[in-house]
Amino acid sequence: AQSVAQPEDQVNVAEGNPLTVKCTYSVSGNPYLFWYVQYPNRGLQFLLKYITGDNLVKGSYGFEAEFNKSQTSFHLKKPSALVSDSALYFCAVRDEAGGFKTIFGAGTRLFVKA
Amino acid sequence: GAGVSQSPRYKVAKRGQDVALRCDPISGHVSLFWYQQALGQGPEFLTYFQNEAQLDKSGLPSDRFFAERPEGSVSTLKIQRTQQEDSAVYLCASSFDRSYNEQFFGPGTRLTVL
Repeated sequence: AQSVAQPEDQVNVAEGNPLTVKCTYSVSGNPYLFWYVQYPNRGLQFLLKYITGDNLVKGSYGFEAEFNKSQTSFHLKKPSALVSDSALYFCAVRDEAGGFKTIFGAGTRLFVKA
Repeated sequence: GAGVSQSPRYKVAKRGQDVALRCDPISGHVSLFWYQQALGQGPEFLTYFQNEAQLDKSGLPSDRFFAERPEGSVSTLKIQRTQQEDSAVYLCASSFDRSYNEQFFGPGTRLTVL
């Protein structure tokens, strides 16, 4: 069965420092991996995805994520955090062999302090 | 250029009442997803439509939940005989085609069952 784990409920980082939000997954087939962000009083917004190809994918707002097949991880990163990056981040996975169901993690709240 | 819209935005129901939640996807989007998001949790998959066909309803928690998309555009999620545990935010998302593209989310309907 598919599953996603976001081991940190909250990540705190100072503005200008690099940030990492962790995600690990479990699927039986090849994974399709996504990151979404939810700002207060706004809907979920797509950040980036990994389908195939280069393990490092770049997305919106300067975010990037690295797919690591051996560690079954897809950590979200940004070289220099902004206060405006403070939000709730969700990792999601679809199993190529599992149809259309998309499984989301529980979310990680990112706080960037000025 | 409108995004995904959902109505109503808020719904309060007495236990035992039936409710209907509406989703208007982005025009031309083939795929439509429904999710249930409990407080402090990530979205949980309920069901998936490809045009008017409901291809996956494995996430519907009981036979009180029913979804339809009769003309391949607007979708309705109906919950019969609501229970307190049905209280959650119900999210709708659409995607351009039937593959692995990112989903565009609506603002959600917050259902409170008293």
